[in-house]
Amino acid sequence: GESVGLHLPTLSVQEGDNSIINCAYSNSASDYFIWYKQESGKGPQFIIDIRSNMDKRQGQRVTVLLNKTVKHLSLQIAATQPGDSAVYFCAENVINTGTASKLTFGTGTRLQVTL
Amino acid sequence: DGGITQSPKYLFRKEGQNVTLSCEQNLNHDAMYWYRQDPGQGLRLIYYSQIVNDFQKGDIAEGYSVSREKKESFPLTVTSAQKNPTAFYLCASSIKGQGNEKLFFGSGTQLSVL
Repeated sequence: GESVGLHLPTLSVQEGDNSIINCAYSNSASDYFIWYKQESGKGPQFIIDIRSNMDKRQGQRVTVLLNKTVKHLSLQIAATQPGDSAVYFCAENVINTGTASKLTFGTGTRLQVTL
Repeated sequence: DGGITQSPKYLFRKEGQNVTLSCEQNLNHDAMYWYRQDPGQGLRLIYYSQIVNDFQKGDIAEGYSVSREKKESFPLTVTSAQKNPTAFYLCASSIKGQGNEKLFFGSGTQLSVL
């Protein structure tokens, strides 16, 4: 757990600024996407999800944007706070009723919030 | 509180030894999963189960075994055949195991080789 995150791309953001974390996915058949937040030594926490019939979805302080044309997903965090410091993962899946959810995870981006 | 409990948080394995990681959930979820996490990499699926007494191999099942005798429990055994077992192991569950479900994760077990 403590070693998770070595060699990850890192985004440094000042407290109060907006953060944008990007993710490129590979499977053009993927139609369900999730963002997770993982703090050091802990399991991933769900942040927000989006289906491919949408290109934008908003939550509390977070927005996910989906561009299926270029297979790109982004997570925007408004007014970034120190508690947002963590590793963020995107995950993709193909919705297929009857089969287990086999999410494919990206490698993650570390967000560092500076004071 | 409902959730997923993994134990132990830290585990050490000697050469040639099998070790078992515990995962219990009280969310009444049908599906459970085991993922492995290495530094700088995303999560990789080891095994998953959609129903009691049934489970399927994930992408990196070699050297691991599981059982699903109860809905609440999905233990993972790291066998001596797994030559590089050092990693952070995450257990997860979802309601039915459908492709549009989010996974709920436990807090993980860090396994190291002595």
